[in-house]
Amino acid sequence: QSVLTQPPSASGTPGQRVAISCSGSSSNIGNNYVYWYRQLPGTAPKLLIYRNNQRPSGVPDRFSGSKSGTSASLAISGLRSEDEADYYCAAWDDSLSGWVFGGGTKLTVL
Amino acid sequence: QVQLVESGRGVVQPGRSLRLSCAASGFTFSTYGMHWVRQAPGKGLEWVAVIWNDGSSEYYADSVKGRFTISRDNSKNTLYLQMNSLRAEDTAVYYCARAYTASHTGHFDYWGQGTLVTVSS
Repeated sequence: QSVLTQPPSASGTPGQRVAISCSGSSSNIGNNYVYWYRQLPGTAPKLLIYRNNQRPSGVPDRFSGSKSGTSASLAISGLRSEDEADYYCAAWDDSLSGWVFGGGTKLTVL
Repeated sequence: QVQLVESGRGVVQPGRSLRLSCAASGFTFSTYGMHWVRQAPGKGLEWVAVIWNDGSSEYYADSVKGRFTISRDNSKNTLYLQMNSLRAEDTAVYYCARAYTASHTGHFDYWGQGTLVTVSS
């Protein structure tokens, strides 16, 4: 059972917009930044969004992050087949004094 | 360019020990905090531990506290994870990752390719 809760799966068709939610508590998302990582099969995770809504250089503006209270969301617009991957949210947890990840969401492009 | 290369993979019996290493290059290693993150087969990511740039502070996940020790040798640009009293549930791919800051805060901006640890009798 992960501290941050994500839906196990999400799907969409090419060109659509999908959103992946991440729910936490006041000790993690509510009081700290949220980060999003993408993991392609058999590879290491890669940073997608930092500090709630900032994109590293090289990440297209089709990807956007938001946070409200103790929840966060990753939105992907103009869905492409290459967006098929596992997506994870993460945050520092003040009560645990450690980083926590969501359980991951497997995105399928139909 | 930034490179992180883990080593120390292997099969180990429950209750035994194993040490992982992560060789860093392409950046000033002593400037950054460093993490270990693991992923059990077919499962999600689990943060394991972090150490500050100068080794002055460490944090651990509850699941490994008291059994694992993170350390670093800045003269060798190498991060370590000493794993004792290993259990079957420690079986995972272990990634080292660079912290964006000198401490435990900020995102994990670079990751190694991972090394597989299997705990089995």
